[in-house]
Amino acid sequence: QTVVTQEPSFSVSPGGTVTLTCGFNSGSVSTSYYPSWYQQTPGQAPRTLIYSTNTRSSGVPDRFSGSILGNKAALTITGAQADDESDYYCVLYMGRGIWVFGGGTKLTVL
Amino acid sequence: EVQLVESGGGLVQPGGSLRLSCAASGFTVSGSYMSWLRQAPGKGLEWVSFIYNNGTTCYTDSVKGRFTVSRDNSKNTLFLQMNSLRAEDTAVYYCATNRGYAFDQWGQGTLVTVSS
Repeated sequence: QTVVTQEPSFSVSPGGTVTLTCGFNSGSVSTSYYPSWYQQTPGQAPRTLIYSTNTRSSGVPDRFSGSILGNKAALTITGAQADDESDYYCVLYMGRGIWVFGGGTKLTVL
Repeated sequence: EVQLVESGGGLVQPGGSLRLSCAASGFTVSGSYMSWLRQAPGKGLEWVSFIYNNGTTCYTDSVKGRFTVSRDNSKNTLFLQMNSLRAEDTAVYYCATNRGYAFDQWGQGTLVTVSS
């Protein structure tokens, strides 16, 4: 069974930098899995942040960036702000029209 | 401006059926790749189904044989027919457009509760 892993929780100080990761139990995450990232606050629909590893969606500030770090996909938030406190989800494309989400990371800004 | 509006959710008994709708504006459903996703209460996001612009469909294993995605081009609407519903299908269901290999624009969601 394919399992995509994320840190359950993370905290960052206002103005600080945090990197959330997205791993894969079947090996390394590469650009071939087209990792994408989504932000969700309670009661709201998800918002697309990053697609195809490192392309920012329209309107997303450049303090959000995506990359591959080692064998994982990564979402880095530089200069964290209070309203970045959200749940963050990554998803990997497995091919043949199938996607698998990670469990999400709850980010606290304090 | 792209807009997606889901409807059709509600309370249904185990074994029952529901059909969700996703009314689209600002683009044509027939020419687009689109997905249904869901989020159980207090849980993470889960991809459910995908439809290519040529009508080919894909499903996550847990809904294969029970859910069917389709579209009505004249109404510019995407549907999710859900049969043999189970308690574990309880979730907020979102439709979304696909951009490349990712999800792009999202609807606001519609809640499906499967309970006796």
